[in-house]
Amino acid sequence: DAKTTQPPSMDCAEGRAANLPCNHSTISGNEYVYWYRQIHSQGPQYIIHGLKNNETNEMASLIITEDRKSSTLILPHATLRDTAVYYCIVSAAGGAGNQFYFGTGTSLTVIP
Amino acid sequence: GAGVSQSPSNKVTEKGKDVELRCDPISGHTALYWYRQSLGQGLEFLIYFQGNSAPDKSGLPSDRFSAERTGGSVSTLTIQRTQQEDSAVYLCASSRPFANTGELFFGEGSRLTVL
Repeated sequence: DAKTTQPPSMDCAEGRAANLPCNHSTISGNEYVYWYRQIHSQGPQYIIHGLKNNETNEMASLIITEDRKSSTLILPHATLRDTAVYYCIVSAAGGAGNQFYFGTGTSLTVIP
Repeated sequence: GAGVSQSPSNKVTEKGKDVELRCDPISGHTALYWYRQSLGQGLEFLIYFQGNSAPDKSGLPSDRFSAERTGGSVSTLTIQRTQQEDSAVYLCASSRPFANTGELFFGEGSRLTVL
């Protein structure tokens, strides 16, 4: 049940900002945008989420367009340890039957 | 423990055998998820437990797959009569009731190989 579209792969130079796009044109009013990443051979790790306002935490920034049909995850200063698969997910928060559908994500390679 | 614990970390079995995979969620987390990840693929949702509500089993691929959650804590995923296509990493995640974050905490997974 893919609700998001992401490029399959991206490269980024170490120290530069990594901007990972996500399209979610069918997002509903009560659905949040979540970002996770999965470093090789590990379980996915939560990064950030938002509803309609831009969000920032110690890991990343999330920019959501005004119409909420797309978003961008920004890693401000990418390091080699940021090489991972990044998943963009839309899901309602709260209530029974809540479920996260992970697609194939974007494989980010940070280049030295 | 501090995080989600899964066991075994690796399991090799023969086609046709039954396997059980265990997940110990973070204490106090009422929501528990099982996902499957085949080599080079994204995560495939299997089943979701939330408190005492009936589980959402919509992702289970066949009736050979079942899961239980006893006492609202530990969960067991059972695969009967395993097939080679069942080979994958099975990931468990838990979370608090969705209040503000929707943050899932994942275990390291159980790698299943069916020969």
